[in-house]
Amino acid sequence: NAGVTQTPKFQVLKTGQSMTLQCAQDMNHNSMYWYRQDPGMGLRLIYYSASEGTTDKGEVPNGYNVSRLNKREFSLRLESAAPSQTSVYFCASSEALQGSNEQFFGPGTRLTVL
Amino acid sequence: QKEVEQNSGPLSVPEGAIASLNCTYSDRGSQSFFWYRQYSGKSPELIMSIYSNGDKEDGRFTAQLNKASQYVSLLIRDSQPSDSATYLCAVNYGQNRDDKIIFGKGTRLHILP
Repeated sequence: NAGVTQTPKFQVLKTGQSMTLQCAQDMNHNSMYWYRQDPGMGLRLIYYSASEGTTDKGEVPNGYNVSRLNKREFSLRLESAAPSQTSVYFCASSEALQGSNEQFFGPGTRLTVL
Repeated sequence: QKEVEQNSGPLSVPEGAIASLNCTYSDRGSQSFFWYRQYSGKSPELIMSIYSNGDKEDGRFTAQLNKASQYVSLLIRDSQPSDSATYLCAVNYGQNRDDKIIFGKGTRLHILP
């Protein structure tokens, strides 16, 4: 039982390049989330998916797209990377029961855009 | 604007003492509250959830919730060097299953050996 997994762990891109961050969970959770974490800014929600087939914008969606491929997998795509997207990206999942939202995080992807 | 506020620290506590971490939130409609621990270079790890007023204990950890005053706290008894980390307070606004969590920026805790 791996929980939430993310690939890759590290990535360096040049400005304008594209890439997809992969996330998968084996806890049969309905909801999945993508966050970025920057020094002094805390965790900020980029996109989330409340259930298979649905996605919604979070606090900082510009420059990103997402795909909820199936119940297990939720990917984040940077179409044209910018230095401002240098960050640590975390995927999370939750059962999202009524009145609760305990989220469990993957190990993160450390992305540098030059 | 829904906000979760924490003192950034660092909070230095001698080994064996009680560490007290505090968090305030802006929206009275909040229903669920969480504490996460994050070691440097690692991902956040859920350590406590609390949903009703009062105290909830789990081992050396106690979460305290006061909805009238809009604050939630985390007490760590018999602090150990391994407790040195950043502690994130998180608040779930609303009652819908797809409601989002708002995270505070975290308090850095340093346990002095």
